Formats: sequence, structure tokens, C-alpha cells
Amino acid sequence: DIQMTQSPSTLSASVGDRVTITCRASQSISSWLAWHQQKPGKAPKLLIYKASNLESGVPSRFSGSGSGTEFTLTISSLQPDDFATYYCLQYNSYPHTFGQGTKVEIK
Amino acid sequence: EVQLVESGGGLVKPGGSLRLSCEGSGLLFSSYTMNWVRQAPGRGLEWVSSISSNGNYIYYEDSVKGRFTISRDNAKNSLYLQMNSLRAEDTAVYYCARFESMDVWGQGTTVTVSS
Repeated sequence: DIQMTQSPSTLSASVGDRVTITCRASQSISSWLAWHQQKPGKAPKLLIYKASNLESGVPSRFSGSGSGTEFTLTISSLQPDDFATYYCLQYNSYPHTFGQGTKVEIK
Repeated sequence: EVQLVESGGGLVKPGGSLRLSCEGSGLLFSSYTMNWVRQAPGRGLEWVSSISSNGNYIYYEDSVKGRFTISRDNAKNSLYLQMNSLRAEDTAVYYCARFESMDVWGQGTTVTVSS
């Protein structure tokens, strides 16, 4: 099974900050990686698919990069609505696996 | 409107059974792989099972193999998860999600396994 290691687990930041979250796969997953945002009590929401493709309707301050085993999600200028938990998901092979999540908190 | 709506959750005793349903609308249901994902209280997301668009390919997370069965009825735009021999550790919010990248999610249905 492919393990996804996400870091950091918690991130404290201020509005306007540039934020980067990293996900590392235990073996190559090509570009079959998605990033999801989840707010408390709500379903997750897709932000990025195939490592770097912005889902329709998602603000352009979100971007994704990477391939193989190293991936990053970047928020260029953190907004109040962005305080949430973020998960990476590998869908290269079964079982699909999520990272353990990164909670972005207000500093 | 593109929408997935889960139902069927509830409180069940250990060893009991539940059948979850997920009905889709506005999203070409029959063309896509569908997934079940769960989230235990205070924990992260966990993939549970997937079924291909025509139902020919089915996959399960190891801890649910032999206990859970995923199925779909494309004529009814519906996805199902039959859960048998339930354990306390199956307690979670269960979500259905469309496609490998999970681009559309339902609102979730809560399953509580407790005596």
C-alpha cells in the first residue's frame, strides 16, 4: 500500500501569509494526487486534481505542484475563509490513501 | 444542481448491520467510479471502498473486506454500502464521493456502533 505523509500536521498563520503544505508518497504516484479542504462539520471539497489542476470555482490563490513522490499545496495569500484542514489523496492505485491532514489555524 | 445525498446511517449494536445509500442527481452518475470514504470522530479521512462505473471492478480497504459490500444501480443513480458484522471502530461519518479524484461529495451520514 502507498503511504502518504503530510506535513506539517498543524500550521499557524496570519491573513495574507503564504502557506505551503507538503505531501510525500512512499512510492511514485505520477501526478495522481488531489488536495481537499475540509471545514468542521462539513464534507471535504476538492481544490486541486492531478497534482496541479485547479478545480473549477476554486480561487486562484490555491496552487499545487509536484510529481512522483513529492507534492505541495500553496496558498499564496491566506484569507479568513481558508482556515480549515487540508488533506492530500493519492488515487494512483488501490487502496486509495489520504494524508493525515494539516490544520491551518489563525496565528 | 450536482448533488450526492447519503442516507441510512444510525445507531447499531456491535455485530449488527446497516445499509447506506447515496443518490446522485445532475452528475452523469453512471459514467463515474464511485467511492465511500469515512471519518471517525476527531480523525482524518479514510477511503473505504470503490466501484467502477459499470460495477465490474470493486475494491475495499483491508479492515472492511468480507464485512462490507459496495454496489450500485445506475438506473436509479444510486450507490450502496451494505455493512455487516459492525464493530465499534466502524463508527464514523460515511461520505460518498464521485470519481477517482473525489470531485463531488455528499453531506455524509453518521454510523454509530455501540451497545
